[in-house]
Amino acid sequence: QSALTQPPSASGSPGQSVTISCTGTSSDVGDYKYVSWYQQHPGKAPKLMIYEVSKRPSGVPDRFSGSKSGNTASLTVSGLQAEDEADYYCNSYAGNNNVVFGGGTKLTVL
Amino acid sequence: EVQLVESGGGVVRPGGSLRLSCAASGFTFDDYGMTWVRQAPGKGLECVSGMNWNGDNRGYADSVKGRFTISRDSAKNSLYLQMNNLRAEDTALYYCARGRREENIPVALDLWGRGTLVTVSS
Repeated sequence: QSALTQPPSASGSPGQSVTISCTGTSSDVGDYKYVSWYQQHPGKAPKLMIYEVSKRPSGVPDRFSGSKSGNTASLTVSGLQAEDEADYYCNSYAGNNNVVFGGGTKLTVL
Repeated sequence: EVQLVESGGGVVRPGGSLRLSCAASGFTFDDYGMTWVRQAPGKGLECVSGMNWNGDNRGYADSVKGRFTISRDSAKNSLYLQMNNLRAEDTALYYCARGRREENIPVALDLWGRGTLVTVSS
């Protein structure tokens, strides 16, 4: 059970797009469609933004999108807004009833 | 109101035990897998343990295997985490979270509590 790998930080200006990667292995991200993304503002509980690689829960803006290629999943935030500044985490099913998270990425809106 | 409320956290000495509880309301508890996720101060998220709707499938992080036990009580709409032989590195905010209804083991966590703080210190 190794944590998924995310870049520690990412940034973009308002209106721009930014993509955050989440790299796993053929035993987790690469083998299952069960990859999710979460947004966490300081002092708050995480919020589900993307599930099953690319699906958005009701109420999540379509500026947020997800994809996967091989062992790497990605979250893209388009049309960056100030309120998008937060920590973002990915997670994935890893087999044998286990779930692993990424280390998190701090997104800064410049 | 659809919500999860954790309780049971506190300060405990290394080697001690705690039992966390999570009270669910506003939805049909039996229909969902549930999980415990923790976050050490200033650190990232870690899935501690999860279970499917009826308890047939349970998973544990390697870091807690053999020390923590997840369980649920349908009559009380509650999820539990029994934590034994606690270590300093178990210090964290422990969240209870619900998986999407379609999932067996919860991965997409669509409802979270506010968390309960566990501090392991001598």
